[in-house]
Amino acid sequence: DGGITQSPKYLFRKEGQNVTLSCEQNLNHDAMYWYRQDPGQGLRLIYYSQIVNDFQKGDIAEGYSVSREKKESFPLTVTSAQKNPTAFYLCASSVGLVDTQYFGPGTRLTVL
Amino acid sequence: AQSVTQLDSQVPVFEEAPVELRCNYSSSVSVYLFWYVQYPNQGLQLLLKYLSGSTLVKGINGFEAEFNKSQTSFHLRKPSVHISDTAEYFCAVSPNLHGSSNTGKLIFGQGTTLQVKP
Repeated sequence: DGGITQSPKYLFRKEGQNVTLSCEQNLNHDAMYWYRQDPGQGLRLIYYSQIVNDFQKGDIAEGYSVSREKKESFPLTVTSAQKNPTAFYLCASSVGLVDTQYFGPGTRLTVL
Repeated sequence: AQSVTQLDSQVPVFEEAPVELRCNYSSSVSVYLFWYVQYPNQGLQLLLKYLSGSTLVKGINGFEAEFNKSQTSFHLRKPSVHISDTAEYFCAVSPNLHGSSNTGKLIFGQGTTLQVKP
């Protein structure tokens, strides 16, 4: 089955700790994205990557970092500099930047 | 810059009734338009999209949407809803730029919760 997987589904961390969210796709898509979802605010773009070893900041990149060492993987690190990290995080991918984006099941991060 | 407004945060409707979820957008360039559905604690699933051509777009699960350029709207409709349609619906736009200016960025509305009652 082709698709996008995100792990874990639920994640709890103490304040001040960095945490890395996993996103893997086997769709052979070049482009990958990270969004943050908060209640009543829709989705906001954190980072996106057009191709391996390249990524760009989205609208709310502060306090986050990413890497794209492999085509199928686009991990997101939520650093201690992110002031309000508790949210639902969604990863997406598309064939190219102008193509339809397909979403993973999401990771709900709670910082205690 | 682009923006998307979903005019209703919640839409309650009885089962088998018709429904319309409203979406308006603002953009200085042409756009691609999308509707996604999200069931509780899940990712987003694409319902339908408008890229070009016919302004009436049919999607999955019996949904359709009509692109109205003059009114900058892309309202989602279904003639008869089911309990299983209860979910949150997101309208999104992506600017249609030329060549390397395209970022693929999706701009989302705030979402509309569709509550189907028996």
